[in-house]
Amino acid sequence: KNQVEQSPQSLIILEGKNCTLQCNYTVSPFSNLRWYKQDTGRGPVSLTIMTFSENTKSNGRYTATLDADTKQSSLHITASQLSDSASYICVVALPRLTFGEGTQLTVNP
Amino acid sequence: EAGVAQSPRYKIIEKRQSVAFWCNPISGHATLYWYQQILGQGPKLLIQFQNNGVVDDSQLPKDRFSAERLKGVDSTLKIQPAKLEDSAVYLCASSLGRGTGEQYFGPGTRLTVT
Repeated sequence: KNQVEQSPQSLIILEGKNCTLQCNYTVSPFSNLRWYKQDTGRGPVSLTIMTFSENTKSNGRYTATLDADTKQSSLHITASQLSDSASYICVVALPRLTFGEGTQLTVNP
Repeated sequence: EAGVAQSPRYKIIEKRQSVAFWCNPISGHATLYWYQQILGQGPKLLIQFQNNGVVDDSQLPKDRFSAERLKGVDSTLKIQPAKLEDSAVYLCASSLGRGTGEQYFGPGTRLTVT
């Protein structure tokens, strides 16, 4: 069983809509929890990094939340754009990074 | 600031052949990582260097994979001999320190073993 599980596996939304991606993890404690965006054919790029004690972190239209009690994190994308089409990966730093399998987001016009 | 550079970007080889990948990290970054990302999965750490020393190679298949970072800057990852299941994207990343700080990823090398 993966230590970091993400849902949904894939998601299709219309441009301008909001969406929320989920991440459940079993590892605890950890140093920090990260969300990465990976465009096709590119390496992952960090969106947010939250320590164990933080419960929210924003980066522009991206807002990550963390609930250490339920061991859940979410990434909320506001007013989606076509360029948001990518894989979004939840990562727990133990310190070794443990990656989820990602949610493939497609934003259609 | 230049990012993490990797080459080649794509490689196709036959099983049992050898292949090598090269990575040049961001200038000044002491820590370098090699990851394997199989299609549809998240990256898996293969090896972590701190300067030219190995910090973590517990998930590196040492019977066929090797890596070096001789001068503490750029690094090479080699597979010899390759198997079909080695088909993946090999990502290199670097960070300033050894801890849990930000990691910066290169574009990756896509390897296809036929």
